[in-house]
Amino acid sequence: GIQVEQSPPDLILQEGANSTLRCNFSDSVNNLQWFHQNPWGQLINLFYIPSGTKQNGRLSATTVATERYSLLYISSSQTTDSGVYFCAANEKLTFGTGTRLTIIP
Amino acid sequence: DSGVTQTPKHLITATGQRVTLRCSPRSGDLSVYWYQQSLDQGLQFLIQYYNGEERAKGNILERFSAQQFPDLHSELNLSSLELGDSALYFCASSVLGSGELFFGEGSRLTVL
Repeated sequence: GIQVEQSPPDLILQEGANSTLRCNFSDSVNNLQWFHQNPWGQLINLFYIPSGTKQNGRLSATTVATERYSLLYISSSQTTDSGVYFCAANEKLTFGTGTRLTIIP
Repeated sequence: DSGVTQTPKHLITATGQRVTLRCSPRSGDLSVYWYQQSLDQGLQFLIQYYNGEERAKGNILERFSAQQFPDLHSELNLSSLELGDSALYFCASSVLGSGELFFGEGSRLTVL
């Protein structure tokens, strides 16, 4: 099956900083989603983005399907952005191992 | 709020016991998925139902079973529980059998 890799595994930033999280996948995808898992364990949908670019406030995402990667951009980080960010690919969602983001006040 | 409802939120039980986790999908969604999140295995797909029929199986143990009822809610049954079954179990739903999935808040199972 498809392999999904995320980098970096951990990221510690000062409040207000920008960050880029990367998701590489081993095969073509028909579904690509980004999630934020908050400290309470909830999985929150960020983007459904099998291709192209989308923006939602301080967050944006780009998927380049032909090159098998997706990027999640977070600008002007806030402490509430802390948590684990997952990308997941294809119909039954194969998840990456996540990027743990910690925002320091 | 994703619109997917899972109960119970927390469950503590003993080894060898059996538990049932329940999921109500978003209104209008026909497909239900179950996932397990454990510390050592990450988030793993267990099983998918579409309009009452099993559609796909992932890494689901034989001790686990699931079903989707005519009203589209789903139950995941876990039996002969072991310590290693302690995990967060998520349910997700989608309109069709593909496309964007929306997750419930999860059921945290602790096996002692």
